Amino acid sequence: AQKVTQAQTEISVVEKEDVTLDCVYETRDTTYYLFWYKQPPSGELVFLIRRNSFDEQNEISGRYSWNFQKSTSSFNFTITASQVVDSAVYFCALRGSQGNLIFGKGTKLSVKP
Amino acid sequence: DTGVSQNPRHKITKRGQNVTFRCDPISEHNRLYWYRQTLGQGPEFLTYFQNEAQLEKSRLLSDRFSAERPKGSFSTLEIQRTEQGDSAMYLCASSLASDIGPNEQFFGPGTRLTVL
Repeated sequence: AQKVTQAQTEISVVEKEDVTLDCVYETRDTTYYLFWYKQPPSGELVFLIRRNSFDEQNEISGRYSWNFQKSTSSFNFTITASQVVDSAVYFCALRGSQGNLIFGKGTKLSVKP
Repeated sequence: DTGVSQNPRHKITKRGQNVTFRCDPISEHNRLYWYRQTLGQGPEFLTYFQNEAQLEKSRLLSDRFSAERPKGSFSTLEIQRTEQGDSAMYLCASSLASDIGPNEQFFGPGTRLTVL
């Protein structure tokens, strides 16, 4: 079975704090793809990153970084020096066998000024 | 605007009525997906098209649901005899399938359905 677990339902931080959003996935596929999406209060899902199972190199994009560890089936997302505009629901997703995305339940991040 | 668009953005209907939603994908994208999202949950896959062919349907897609993509461009999702449990946000996404691996799906703003 394929599954994505985001154990943190809600996180609240103060601006400029670093925050890490956890994602654990389950799949029996040897080749798979993982994604992170952001859903701001406006509701539209915004693509952040795609990572395939062959590439375990961590990635950094500005204040965002992702830590992919196959050994623990985790694909965690860190925001450095958080800002109020980072407030949103963040979803981790796994590409399913049908080409669809299998989403976790999301983590709601609130960044307070 | 060259993103994915969906209409209407909001729909309120009475139980038992039929509703139809439309999705216009990014023009060069050959894959189109429908998802449903309820409060506090992640989106759940309903069905997808490659060009005009409907290739997969989730078991969530009961026989009251039907989707079409007649010319491989826009798609419609119809729900017949709506029930209160159908109340949700219906999301459309599109992507460009390639041989080198899946590309990211781009999502529309969604249609929020409320069944009274």
